[in-house]
Amino acid sequence: QKEVEQNSGPLSVPEGAIASLNCTYSDRGSQSFFWYRQYSGKSPELIMFIYSNGDKEDGRFTAQLNKASQYVSLLIRDSQPSDSATYLCAVGANAGGTSYGKLTFGQGTILTVHP
Amino acid sequence: GAVVSQHPSWVICKSGTSVKIECRSLDFQATTMFWYRQFPKQSLMLMATSNEGSKATYEQGVEKDKFLINHASLTLSTLTVTSAHPEDSSFYICSARGRGTPRQNGELFFGEGSRLTVL
Repeated sequence: QKEVEQNSGPLSVPEGAIASLNCTYSDRGSQSFFWYRQYSGKSPELIMFIYSNGDKEDGRFTAQLNKASQYVSLLIRDSQPSDSATYLCAVGANAGGTSYGKLTFGQGTILTVHP
Repeated sequence: GAVVSQHPSWVICKSGTSVKIECRSLDFQATTMFWYRQFPKQSLMLMATSNEGSKATYEQGVEKDKFLINHASLTLSTLTVTSAHPEDSSFYICSARGRGTPRQNGELFFGEGSRLTVL
């Protein structure tokens, strides 16, 4: 069983729409949650991180975390063609612990924003 | 933001040869570096955790004798793929966390990745 699972893609949305990306994780001890964007052939780029239950907003991006349901999501508002990429959900140990930085990645969701 | 540089960005080698990939933190001291491997259309899989001055910790299923990791200084970790075979062809990515990097900000710094092709 995969430890981090993302909703199957690819996901296609029109420009200006909201893109919703979902992720579930199996380790209840996980404390840090990340969303990365990865363009083809490039390394991951951090979009958002969240540690506490609830919503965290940064510009057009909102991360939502529900530890009871072991669920984390990413909403992209006003989607742009430049947002087209693979989005990776990553889960890590306690942010203050020695294992911080050791991430388990989901399989990724390919997002296409069409004009 | 902090910069992590990987070299080479791509390499082609013959089967049976060894290849060394370097991961450098350019403007911070990387106390811990992580090495990931990514096969085409798959996600990143952690291979090993490298702490400066100590032996690397390998994930289950990763051959420590095949993937040699050295983290001799606070700014450099190397991954050597020994006796490379075509199935080792992959995208290898390092990430680093550093001394003084605020843990609260959540930033882990990724290198640009190194694409290895073994013929």
